[in-house]
Amino acid sequence: SSELTQDPAVSVALGQTVRITCQGDSLRSYYASWYQQKPGQAPVLVIYGKNNRPSGIPDRFSGSSSGNTASLTITGAQAEDEADYYCNSRDSSGNHLFGGGTKLTVL
Amino acid sequence: QVQLQESGPGLVKPSETLSLTCTVSGGSISSYYWSWIRQPAGKGLEWIGRIYTSGSTNYNPSLKSRVTMSVDTSKNQFSLKLSSVTAADTAVYYCARVRYPTYSSIWFDPWGQGTLVTVSS
Repeated sequence: SSELTQDPAVSVALGQTVRITCQGDSLRSYYASWYQQKPGQAPVLVIYGKNNRPSGIPDRFSGSSSGNTASLTITGAQAEDEADYYCNSRDSSGNHLFGGGTKLTVL
Repeated sequence: QVQLQESGPGLVKPSETLSLTCTVSGGSISSYYWSWIRQPAGKGLEWIGRIYTSGSTNYNPSLKSRVTMSVDTSKNQFSLKLSSVTAADTAVYYCARVRYPTYSSIWFDPWGQGTLVTVSS
């Protein structure tokens, strides 16, 4: 199916590691990209391709993929990482797909 | 660095056509794909469609019958028209550059700041 599924909410203790996942059949063929969105702001790209970070994104953000699941890992979560995270990929028809988003709370 | 700015009416009446323009600064619009994405208040992101600077388009199948995108390379702008709008089209509309270096890898960067469009009489 042409859908990407994310857990609606995840929490992590300050300084701990958290994994945010994205599931979908298209991820078997295409890489996911990940976006961070804070309230009232536009989304910002944090991971793209196999595991690439744009300039300015801290190296505590990393990406991985296995089968139909892509993951965004934050190693040593900081208070400023509290945000909504969206995954994105494409399907075989060239259409873009977004996951429903995961709200990350840093405790 | 490349920056994007959305512009257009913030209020559109039901059944009318929503029209937005994205102006690209700091770089050329040529030889890239460009997209529109929207986000209703409190909800997730929805891809609307993309256009290449040649004019070739791909639209979200759920919106395809109402969407038209165009590009004006002389003005470094691309545009969105969404016809027959209803309250369900009320959202923040973002424009973004699409990076598409390989068949299997695609992403949006950068994004515009977004513009709120409300559909109401």
